[in-house]
Amino acid sequence: SQQGEEDPQALSIQEGENATMNCSYKTSINNLQWYRQNSGRGLVHLILIRSNEREKHSGRLRVTLDTSKKSSSLLITASRAADTASYFCASITGGGNKLTFGTGTQLKVEL
Amino acid sequence: EPEVTQTPSHQVTQMGQEVILRCVPISNHLYFYWYRQILGQKVEFLVSFYNNEISEKSEIFDDQFSVERPDGSNFTLKIRSTKLEDSAMYFCASGTSGGGEQFFGPGTRLTVL
Repeated sequence: SQQGEEDPQALSIQEGENATMNCSYKTSINNLQWYRQNSGRGLVHLILIRSNEREKHSGRLRVTLDTSKKSSSLLITASRAADTASYFCASITGGGNKLTFGTGTQLKVEL
Repeated sequence: EPEVTQTPSHQVTQMGQEVILRCVPISNHLYFYWYRQILGQKVEFLVSFYNNEISEKSEIFDDQFSVERPDGSNFTLKIRSTKLEDSAMYFCASGTSGGGEQFFGPGTRLTVL
């Protein structure tokens, strides 16, 4: 698999439910970041988790990182219709500073 | 809240023409980036720029591409002779530290006919 593959590719839930998205990567990372992209718009940074961290919270977002399994998950609790967007994981590896993006999960939150 | 801005929002050009995409990064940021996203595909890294020089570039960023920071505020991406496959959304981003959070602009949609 490529650096940064996400599943599911698409997720449809009802407002108020939790949404979980997963990301797997191949090479060791310095940090892993999650971004949101509303249709046809720019990317918005959500949260960054470093390779020596296991869990991080920000508001309704919870991110976990398992470096032994080379995977991360993003949990959005109590989802809202406004959370409808595409969510991407992106990693920083080695001594560089470029982001390598995953394939993304399209989340649809229905009323 | 400061934000990255990009102009134009949409550029249509003929194959073989030169285009310049413009970005104004957040003012106290030191690291600058260009990415692109072909419709329906992943966001791909093109180039990073720090201390007035390219710090990293991808295989996509060949001799047809160049970047410049002509003054203290603008950051431009030039494509010398556009190809049909250059059609994509181009995103500029900036950050305060290498390898940290990056702030993205709204993108320029480039259509090559």
